[in-house]
Amino acid sequence: AQKVTQTQTSISVMEKTTVTMDCVYETQDSSYFLFWYKQTASGEIVFLIRQDSYKKENATVGHYSLNFQKPKSSIGLIITATQIEDSAVYFCAMREGYSNTDKVVFGTGTRLQVSP
Amino acid sequence: NSKVIQTPRYLVKGQGQKAKMRCIPEKGHPVVFWYQQNKNNEFKFLINFQNQEVLQQIDMTEKRFSAECPSNSPCSLEIQSSEAGDSALYLCASSPTGGHSDYTFGSGTRLLVI
Repeated sequence: AQKVTQTQTSISVMEKTTVTMDCVYETQDSSYFLFWYKQTASGEIVFLIRQDSYKKENATVGHYSLNFQKPKSSIGLIITATQIEDSAVYFCAMREGYSNTDKVVFGTGTRLQVSP
Repeated sequence: NSKVIQTPRYLVKGQGQKAKMRCIPEKGHPVVFWYQQNKNNEFKFLINFQNQEVLQQIDMTEKRFSAECPSNSPCSLEIQSSEAGDSALYLCASSPTGGHSDYTFGSGTRLLVI
């Protein structure tokens, strides 16, 4: 069964620094998709970035990038030049297979606090 | 602002009462998912639809929970007889086709069962 684990419950950083959030996953499938989402204090959940399992290159979107280490089943999220508004809970998620009808499994999140 | 519209934002029910929440998916998204997020940030998958058809649902959903996504009407999730353990944030998400597709989430309905 698929599983996503985020062991860091909370991280605090100073503004304009770089932060890395860890995520490891378990799957029996050879093809899968990995996602990161952000949930703000208001409860809104926003998609940030995706990594396809068959791609070797790390995905990058704006100031978000991924550290995909397939042999370790690891997908870390890196946020560079953090801003106050990056304060939120970040969720790692995975979908097995190619069907969009398959559910996504989520980790339990890492709370990021960015201070001025 | 979310393109998935969930109502109501908050819902307070007594134990044994019905609780109903609605979701309008993003235009053009044929797949709708319902998740329950508890206070420990755990996401529990409840049910998903493609257009009007149920694709998967968990046992809990089969017993006390009912859901539908009728054509030209909002999707809905209803708890027939609310229990204290149902208190949670209920999230509706929609997505286009393709396994690579991410979710667009609604703002959620926060249910409190007292």
